[in-house]
Amino acid sequence: GAVVSQHPSRVICKSGTSVKIECRSLDFQATTMFWYRQFPKQSLMLMATSNEGSKATYEQGVEKDKFLINHASLTLSTLTVTSAHPEDSSFYICSAWGDSNQPQHFGDGTRLSIL
Amino acid sequence: DAKTTQPPSMDCAEGRAANLPCNHSTISGNEYVYWYRQIHSQGPQYIIHGLKNNETNEMASLIITEDRKSSTLILPHATLRDTAVYYCIAGGASGTYKYIFGTGTRLKVLA
Repeated sequence: GAVVSQHPSRVICKSGTSVKIECRSLDFQATTMFWYRQFPKQSLMLMATSNEGSKATYEQGVEKDKFLINHASLTLSTLTVTSAHPEDSSFYICSAWGDSNQPQHFGDGTRLSIL
Repeated sequence: DAKTTQPPSMDCAEGRAANLPCNHSTISGNEYVYWYRQIHSQGPQYIIHGLKNNETNEMASLIITEDRKSSTLILPHATLRDTAVYYCIAGGASGTYKYIFGTGTRLKVLA
């Protein structure tokens, strides 16, 4: 099946630091990538939709200046959490989608802990 | 995207079939039904999807009612490794292809 790689799997950093998370589709070209956030014991919440070569579309309530998304190629999207604070600590998950009527394929997530 | 409702939890004996229901009464005609599962601290794993017809693959079977307002995921012989949260999603259409996750069903397979 399709493989989506997410890196890093875990990051711990100090408050005020910016953190970049990478999402790569390894064996298919991803027209669209999605970024989700998941708090403990909760479901996944869609943060933004990213299309290659264009600006991301953010869901209501998600700060676009806080969560910078870049989708420069058909196999790579990045999420940068800028000036991270403890309340940004969460499990961030990306997914990639490449063809109509096909499912999204998810990465294994990045656990972000801000001290 | 259509919202889905699922029972919050279910238990199933190992070796028995696990039948997980999902209600998606507001699904539109071009929206698919997708099933994923999530094991703790991992990303969701794709299981199966369908539009109108019943589907089967090596992992599971998907039964969609004729009116498409509900579906059932069937794991034919549940094992302990099938313990996970199962999500049913109705969507992926309308040009955005985005998913809206519900709360899912926490399936516990008992030895």
